Amino acid sequence: GAVVSQHPSRVICKSGTSVKIECRSLDFQATTMFWYRQFPKQSLMLMATSNEGSKATYEQGVEKDKFLINHASLTLSTLTVTSAHPEDSSFYICSASGGGYGYTFGSGTRLTVV
Amino acid sequence: GDSVTQMEGPVTLSEEAFLTINCTYTATGYPSLFWYVQYPGEGLQLLLKATKADDKGSNKGFEATYRKETTSFHLEKGSVQVSDSAVYFCALSDQGGNNDMRFGAGTRLTVKP
Repeated sequence: GAVVSQHPSRVICKSGTSVKIECRSLDFQATTMFWYRQFPKQSLMLMATSNEGSKATYEQGVEKDKFLINHASLTLSTLTVTSAHPEDSSFYICSASGGGYGYTFGSGTRLTVV
Repeated sequence: GDSVTQMEGPVTLSEEAFLTINCTYTATGYPSLFWYVQYPGEGLQLLLKATKADDKGSNKGFEATYRKETTSFHLEKGSVQVSDSAVYFCALSDQGGNNDMRFGAGTRLTVKP
């Protein structure tokens, strides 16, 4: 079956630094990837949708200069949180689709900014 | 760790048929339970949720009851429509700690006229 690997699972960084989160489709080509954020005790919020080789489409209210998304290949998408602040601390999860596998979620990344 | 197991698809039904998508969970605590829906080309949307045992979540004719004794949260709808064709995900979020979400594998539903 389809597998999506998300890395790292947990990261702690200092305020002002940048953090990159990777999302890889291991056994299929992901033409579309979705990035979500989960706020404490709430459900997921879609941040952006990216298609391989094109710019990501961001949801309203999501700062594209702060949350940089790159989907340069059919198996890899990255989310970079730039100049992270404590309010960026959250759970980030990706989902990939393609190759007839539907939508497959990564295991998520817990980001803590101190 | 916490996990969700949901019925494998795909599921194909005729319009107005009854729908059940099974979901069971494993959790050490008392999680909140969710059903999400993803329509073609779109991101996830929260369909319904339940935060404690015996709660029933409902929305758009869909229902699911939090059954602690059977660790289940099956999704049901009495009469499906073509517009319900989508992928449905069961998920849990532990109410303690970080509340990180865990998803089932998703079930694709196709409703034919």
